[in-house]
Amino acid sequence: AQKVTQAQTEISVVEKEDVTLDCVYETRDTTYYLFWYKQPPSGELVFLIRRNSFDEQNEISGRYSWNFQKSTSSFNFTITASQVVDSAVYFCALSEASAGANSKLTFGKGITLSVRP
Amino acid sequence: DAGVIQSPRHEVTEMGQEVTLRCKPISGHNSLFWYRQTMMRGLELLIYFNNNVPIDDSGMPEDRFSAKMPNASFSTLKIQPSEPRDSAVYFCASSSQGRTDTQYFGPGTRLTVL
Repeated sequence: AQKVTQAQTEISVVEKEDVTLDCVYETRDTTYYLFWYKQPPSGELVFLIRRNSFDEQNEISGRYSWNFQKSTSSFNFTITASQVVDSAVYFCALSEASAGANSKLTFGKGITLSVRP
Repeated sequence: DAGVIQSPRHEVTEMGQEVTLRCKPISGHNSLFWYRQTMMRGLELLIYFNNNVPIDDSGMPEDRFSAKMPNASFSTLKIQPSEPRDSAVYFCASSSQGRTDTQYFGPGTRLTVL
């Protein structure tokens, strides 16, 4: 069964610090997809990134970067030079391809990030 | 482009009343999902439609919950009768190709049942 673990529940940093949000997943599939979503205090869920299991290249988008390591089943998210607007709950999620119609998007419990000015 | 649209954004009702939540997916998306978010249980998938057909409703809590998708641009989630434990944020999401594709979420409906 697929599972996503976000062991950190709350992180508090001071503005301009770098912060890494950890995500560890479990799956028996060889083909799967990993996602990160952001939920700011306003409540909406904002898509950040989708990676498939065959693409282990790290990705950078502005101050955001993602480190995908199949060897450790991790898909960690780093925010460089954090800003107050980064304060949100961040969810990691996993979807298995082989389950077909029964595939589910499984979310982790989320990490609450607070960035203090 | 318009994102997923949900209405109402907030709903307060009394126990026993019928509640209807509405969703308009992103144009061109053929998969639609209803989720519920609570502090205790996190994000739970309630039901998944593909091409307007319900594919997986195993997450629907009980018979009080029902969902329909009469056409590609509209879906409803109905709770009848509502109970205080149904209080949660209900999200609708859509994707262009099923569950492994990126799901884009609506703003959610915050439901409070008194």
